[in-house]
Amino acid sequence: DTGVSQDPRHKITKRGQNVTFRCDPISEHNRLYWYRQTLGQGPEFLTYFQNEAQLEKSRLLSDRFSAERPKGSFSTLEIQRTEQGDSAMYLCASSPRVMGEAFFGQGTRLTVV
Amino acid sequence: GQQLNQSPQSMFIQEGEDVSMNCTSSSIFNTWLWYKQDPGEGPVLLIALYKAGELTSNGRLTAQFGITRKDSFLNISASIPSDVGIYFCAGQLARGATNKLIFGTGTLLAVQP
Repeated sequence: DTGVSQDPRHKITKRGQNVTFRCDPISEHNRLYWYRQTLGQGPEFLTYFQNEAQLEKSRLLSDRFSAERPKGSFSTLEIQRTEQGDSAMYLCASSPRVMGEAFFGQGTRLTVV
Repeated sequence: GQQLNQSPQSMFIQEGEDVSMNCTSSSIFNTWLWYKQDPGEGPVLLIALYKAGELTSNGRLTAQFGITRKDSFLNISASIPSDVGIYFCAGQLARGATNKLIFGTGTLLAVQP
């Protein structure tokens, strides 16, 4: 399968714990996005990488959130000191060009209890 | 975060009927994309539009990029039960250096056999 891959698919964690999600984009896609989606809403932009450079971050991305893309390949999104409000679907997407198609992974469903 | 106005919010139709949904914005977009999302899954790209006035088809799906560059619509002809899901529009702004996709609020489609 050559699509965007996310791991894990589901994560349940206790409030206050740290969690890390991984995204493997489509090969040779140098653009990678993270989005968050809550129930009944469309995905909301979190951050964007071009190769290894993080070029844009949303104000939604509080200081408890950090994302990396070492070597411009896979990316990780870490949430520290999780809160119940962090419960959501976290989606990763990759794109081969600046403007145009973005292909999404299956998402990681986070539940903070 | 910012979301596009998408209508209708939901549609309940009989198999075989045609469906139309649209998306509007107060901003000008360079790209319009249409996605379908099944429960618990990531959005799947259906159609991408790049030019004002462009009309593009993908099987029973047809989408158009509005001439004003502030709107787009999606038509589904002869609906079938597997068309059930949530449809999202998404756009990329024409101005500024941002590459993020801004999503609509979604249209829930239910098809009765």
